[in-house]
Amino acid sequence: DVKVTQSSRYLVKRTGEKVFLECVQDMDHENMFWYRQDPGLGLRLIYFSYDVKMKEKGDIPEGYSVSREKKERFSLILESASTNQTSMYLCASSYPSSSYNSPLHFGNGTRLTVT
Amino acid sequence: GENVEQHPSTLSVQEGDSAVIKCTYSDSASNYFPWYKQELGKGPQLIIDIRSNVGEKKDQRIAVTLNKTAKHFSLHITETQPEDSAVYFCAAISGGGGADGLTFGKGTHLIIQP
Repeated sequence: DVKVTQSSRYLVKRTGEKVFLECVQDMDHENMFWYRQDPGLGLRLIYFSYDVKMKEKGDIPEGYSVSREKKERFSLILESASTNQTSMYLCASSYPSSSYNSPLHFGNGTRLTVT
Repeated sequence: GENVEQHPSTLSVQEGDSAVIKCTYSDSASNYFPWYKQELGKGPQLIIDIRSNVGEKKDQRIAVTLNKTAKHFSLHITETQPEDSAVYFCAAISGGGGADGLTFGKGTHLIIQP
């Protein structure tokens, strides 16, 4: 089975801190994604990557950046955390590249609280 | 861009009864419609999908129907069981694009009453 592992289940950070959310997948997937999940708003795409060193903005990239130095790892970075970034963050992967009908495999999420 | 509306936001049914979740989409070019189930404390998982050249697809107790003319699709769960309790997301995407083009509905919290 595909495994997508998010390094932290819960995180509590202070306003202004730089925050790193890490995601690793073990199936050699080319595509990786970061979503944010909020009650009543569903899943919203923050950033995605179809290859190492490649990154593209999703629907809500403001306040975030990403890093993909290795194929299996995709990191989400909050440069200066703010309270409105308190949310559940979900990482996902899929293959092959640019295939819309390849299912997304999600991690179990990181619940981030910014105080 | 695509807009996916999902109803209801919460659905409570008695164990053994059927549950129906409905979604509408706006982009007539959309041609792939997956459904994801998210159990408590876990990430969403694909449970069934349908392509636009098919009107209905079944997998045991779950089925999905698609009406391209009306631009709506529905998830049907029969003989509901406690393990069906979860949040369900519908999604839509146009062919030719990467998975970044997947647009999700806002989710339905399905509660199975014993």
